[in-house]
Amino acid sequence: GENVEQHPSTLSVQEGDSAVIKCTYSDSASNYFPWYKQELGKGPQLIIDIRSNVGEKKDQRIAVTLNKTAKHFSLHITETQPEDSAVYFCAAPESYNTDKLIFGTGTRLQVFP
Amino acid sequence: DAEITQSPRHKITETGRQVTLACHQTWNHNNMFWYRQDLGHGLRLIHYSYGVHDTNKGEVSDGYSVSRSNTEDLPLTLESAASSQTSVYFCASSAAAQGDSEAFFGQGTRLTVV
Repeated sequence: GENVEQHPSTLSVQEGDSAVIKCTYSDSASNYFPWYKQELGKGPQLIIDIRSNVGEKKDQRIAVTLNKTAKHFSLHITETQPEDSAVYFCAAPESYNTDKLIFGTGTRLQVFP
Repeated sequence: DAEITQSPRHKITETGRQVTLACHQTWNHNNMFWYRQDLGHGLRLIHYSYGVHDTNKGEVSDGYSVSRSNTEDLPLTLESAASSQTSVYFCASSAAAQGDSEAFFGQGTRLTVV
């Protein structure tokens, strides 16, 4: 089955700087890689996802890149703002074409004004 | 608007008691999941269901059970609560989409076993 590792576990940045969170996965057949944001006291919420037929996807200040050869994908947040402070999770399906997601251990991002 | 709701939001129970956490979704999703969230472990899957009368064990299923009698609900039961089950529990649902469907999470239930 799939194994997802996420780094770093905590990340502190100054407002306006960029933040990068990295994940690796083990199953080369995995084809879908979502990122979730969890604000304090709430459930995780999807912010961006990427499928294995593309290498990069952007949505305003956030982007996700995928390197299938190395089996890793990354979340990039540019021009960080205090409201970006949250816990971020990467995920991948347990196996090809299944709906069961395996999550990374999470990254707590703190953006200081 | 469609939503997924969990109840209660907070629960304190004693060791050995049976506890049931409720999860109700109005998305009409076939897939429903229960996760627990603990510091350093992220979200770990307890049980999941791909449809009515279907249930499956996740990676941390010992001491938990679920049943799926309709599309909307997947209650999670702790048969005999233990202190190791103190955690925050999240329910999620998604459409059946063969691997690329967004999961929608509830607000979580914080369970303390004393």
